[in-house]
Amino acid sequence: SYELTQPPSVSVSPGQTASITCSGDKLGDKYACWYQQKPGQSPVLVIYQDSKRPSGIPERFSGSNSGNTATLTISGTQAMDEADYYCQAWDSSSLVFGTGTKVTVL
Amino acid sequence: EVQLVESGGVVVQPGGSLRLSCAASGFTFDDYAMHWVRQAPGKGLEWVSLISWDGGSTYYADSVKGRFTISRDNSKNSLYLQMNSLRAEDTALYYCAKGSTGSGGSTLDYWGQGTLVTVSS
Repeated sequence: SYELTQPPSVSVSPGQTASITCSGDKLGDKYACWYQQKPGQSPVLVIYQDSKRPSGIPERFSGSNSGNTATLTISGTQAMDEADYYCQAWDSSSLVFGTGTKVTVL
Repeated sequence: EVQLVESGGVVVQPGGSLRLSCAASGFTFDDYAMHWVRQAPGKGLEWVSLISWDGGSTYYADSVKGRFTISRDNSKNSLYLQMNSLRAEDTALYYCAKGSTGSGGSTLDYWGQGTLVTVSS
């Protein structure tokens, strides 16, 4: 079955840039999206179709996808961005989530 | 405003059955595919199942195939998940989520708050 691998954790200082990777076989040939989940809350879509932001998502969130890796970038990270982030893609009529990355804003 | 409200989560014994429901509002329900996603305590997200806008196509994760059945009633703006032969590893918070298109291949653009299913003797 298809797998998407993320680093378990990423630490970033306030105001700096956080990059979260998502690796999967030929992921660049698929659309990737990203969800943010804060403690005790439901996931929220922050990036879809590799790099598009839903309405209401701040411009500091951006995405890219090429080769075997999709990347979520948070520019000018704020304390409110501390959360778990999951990538997601489709493979053979199955939706696949990444393993998840905990972003800590130190 | 899109709202998804799940219900039906309880404590059930191994081997038992349960039906989850999701009441949808704030969008044209029968235009969109719907999903169930679960999250075991302290773990990541796991996709469970998808149903197309008209109920004509359904898809399941291997972990639930043959045990769970997804369905929808467009006249009631409702989504369901029939869960049979429950196992301890099915213990999780179950989310209902809206697809961004009428079929698969879409993102999940709105999520409910989840309903907790605990499988334990």
